[in-house]
Amino acid sequence: EVQLVQSGGGLVQPGGSLRLSCTASGFTVSNYYMTWVRQPPGKGLECVSVIYSGDNTYSADSVKGRFTISRDISKNTLYLQMDSLRAEDTAVYYCARDVGYYDTNAYYYVLDVWGQGTTVTVSS
Amino acid sequence: DIQMTQSPSSLSASVGDRVTITCRAGQSISRYLNWYQHKPGKVPNLLIYAASTLLSGVPSRFSGSGSGTEFTLTISSLQPEDFATYYCQQTYSTPQYTFGQGTKLEIK
Repeated sequence: EVQLVQSGGGLVQPGGSLRLSCTASGFTVSNYYMTWVRQPPGKGLECVSVIYSGDNTYSADSVKGRFTISRDISKNTLYLQMDSLRAEDTAVYYCARDVGYYDTNAYYYVLDVWGQGTTVTVSS
Repeated sequence: DIQMTQSPSSLSASVGDRVTITCRAGQSISRYLNWYQHKPGKVPNLLIYAASTLLSGVPSRFSGSGSGTEFTLTISSLQPEDFATYYCQQTYSTPQYTFGQGTKLEIK
């Protein structure tokens, strides 16, 4: 079965650090783009970080320089290292697999498999 | 980043109603537009990709249309399980994906 299982998260003080993990089964994380998406309380979805071909990475401006996405092939696991955390980083964080679906001569990328979500609360 | 704007932000409707949600992109994104359904306590669920292609297993009462900068998601006859929040997502500027702010569909 293709699935993503998340761990990590919890309560942390402003300025602190956390690492989220996302372990895949049924597929190999190194063969796909992988994404972290978050949802702050009462707000919508935001793409936070993406790791893609050649282990290149992208991070949203809101987390650039503070969050680092990476993956460990030996553990088939995706990570999000979150440093210098702020109250506005409080959210449910999801990992997701990013795959291209072929349709009418083009590949269209979608987030097709999601982790169960983990809550990060930044508060003193 | 490409800005995505959904309207309305919330919508009240009854079972059996036909509803339409609009998503507008800040620039042309061709057909690189996905729709997700998100229920409280659940993970987002992909419904439509490439603006109008229904994912296998998604009920045919869902449909998507549009290209360029304007897109719509239509539910032809609302069912009780359809009450949720719906998000559009552009993947034109891979990997800089952006979501719309969401449309919360509530029971009237």
